[in-house]
Amino acid sequence: DQQVKQNSPSLSVQEGRISILNCDYTNSMFDYFLWYKKYPAEGPTFLISISSIKDKNEDGRFTVFLNKSAKHLSLHIVPSQPGDSAVYFCAARPNFGNEKLTFGTGTRLTIIP
Amino acid sequence: KAGVTQTPRYLIKTRGQQVTLSCSPISGHRSVSWYQQTPGQGLQFLFEYFSETQRNKGNFPGRFSGRQFSNSRSEMNVSTLELGDSALYLCASSRRMTTISDTEAFFGQGTRLTVV
Repeated sequence: DQQVKQNSPSLSVQEGRISILNCDYTNSMFDYFLWYKKYPAEGPTFLISISSIKDKNEDGRFTVFLNKSAKHLSLHIVPSQPGDSAVYFCAARPNFGNEKLTFGTGTRLTIIP
Repeated sequence: KAGVTQTPRYLIKTRGQQVTLSCSPISGHRSVSWYQQTPGQGLQFLFEYFSETQRNKGNFPGRFSGRQFSNSRSEMNVSTLELGDSALYLCASSRRMTTISDTEAFFGQGTRLTVV
């Protein structure tokens, strides 16, 4: 049972345009969400996170939006740059105890120069 | 400070063999988690250790096991290897998660295991 889903395995975006990566979850206990970026031959690196008490969190070119009622979050990258080409994973966890992160299957983003 | 170190980086084993992978967390981090990454499956959680105790376990068969030492270093072992065990195995370390803001896990580069 995939509790965190990234339905688009790949996405291509023109340089300078907006990249939108989507993530859906099914577990209503999740209330902290993170995005990780992964280059080939490297481990994932933390990008940005959002708590369920917010619906938006922004960090430079990266903005994460959370729609709790729809159990949906998205990552916006504006403007997209060639260095953004990577696999992006969303992850979620409940806000209690020391619970593990549950990851999505990832979306490969390719920025076209 | 040094990041999470995983050894070896690459490994080729034959079916039926066993393998041990090692992870050294960031200094001061006491929690270590292991993940399996395969194409199309994303990162699948294997297990998590904190202070030498397994705190969480994913849905993997008993052939997959792990442990954590007093210096927080962790090992995972896979016995009776199958072709389907070929994957990138990632280790992540973190501080004890006492606040909602302290939830980022720092990943190592992974061990690429190929079973032939």
